[in-house]
Amino acid sequence: DTAVSQTPKYLVTQMGNDKSIKCEQNLGHDTMYWYKQDSKKFLKIMFSYNNKELIINETVPNRFSPKSPDKAHLNLHINSLELGDSAVYFCASSQAGTRTNEQFFGPGTRLTVL
Amino acid sequence: GDSVTQMEGPVTLSEEAFLTINCTYTATGYPSLFWYVQYPGEGLQLLLKATKADDKGSNKGFEATYRKETTSFHLEKGSVQVSDSAVYFCALTFGRSQGNLIFGKGTKLSVKP
Repeated sequence: DTAVSQTPKYLVTQMGNDKSIKCEQNLGHDTMYWYKQDSKKFLKIMFSYNNKELIINETVPNRFSPKSPDKAHLNLHINSLELGDSAVYFCASSQAGTRTNEQFFGPGTRLTVL
Repeated sequence: GDSVTQMEGPVTLSEEAFLTINCTYTATGYPSLFWYVQYPGEGLQLLLKATKADDKGSNKGFEATYRKETTSFHLEKGSVQVSDSAVYFCALTFGRSQGNLIFGKGTKLSVKP
C-alpha cells in the first residue's frame, strides 16, 4: 500500500497554462506539506496544512494555490505557469503533536514548463 | 533564522570505504534532526532521526549522533556499498506548529565498485 501518492509523476506543459498536482495520504495524518526541489536538488517548504487549514505559506507566488478537500488530500494548483516553475514537487504528511514530526514523502512530480 | 549546513558534494568513494557527511545546524530552540536519502529518480526516504541531545540514530549501517555542544549531526557509515549511491539530506524540525522540515542543500554520494 502506498502511504503518500502523487499524480501525475511527470507533467510537461507550455508557459501560461494552468495545471494541478494531486496528493493523497492513507496514513491517517492530520498535516500535509508541499515542497519544491529545484534543479540543484535544494528542497524548500511551500505550504503546510493542518486539518485542512493553512498553517505555513512561505514566500510563494500567489499563482500557486493549495487546496485541501479533506485531511487525506492536499492538491496544488498552479496558474499561468512560468519557466522557473520547472522543478520536482514533493508532497509529504505527518502527525502533528509528536515530538519527532516524522514526515513521509510522496514519489514527487517532475514539472517541466516549456 | 534556523538553517542546516551540509558539506558540499559530490562525494566519490570506493566500495567499503568509510563515509562521513558533515551536517551542522543553527536553531533557536531544540529541534529534532533527520537524515533523508533520495535514490536516483525516487522520492525522499527517512534514513534516521534523533530527537534530543546525545541521541544516536541508526539504520542500514548508517549512524548519526545529535551533538548539542557542536550543533552537529554528522552522518557516518563504516563500509559503503554501491547501492548507497544517492543524495543525502540533513534536516531539522521543531514539530508542533512549526512542523515543516528545513533541509540542507544535499550531498551527492557516488560509490564505485
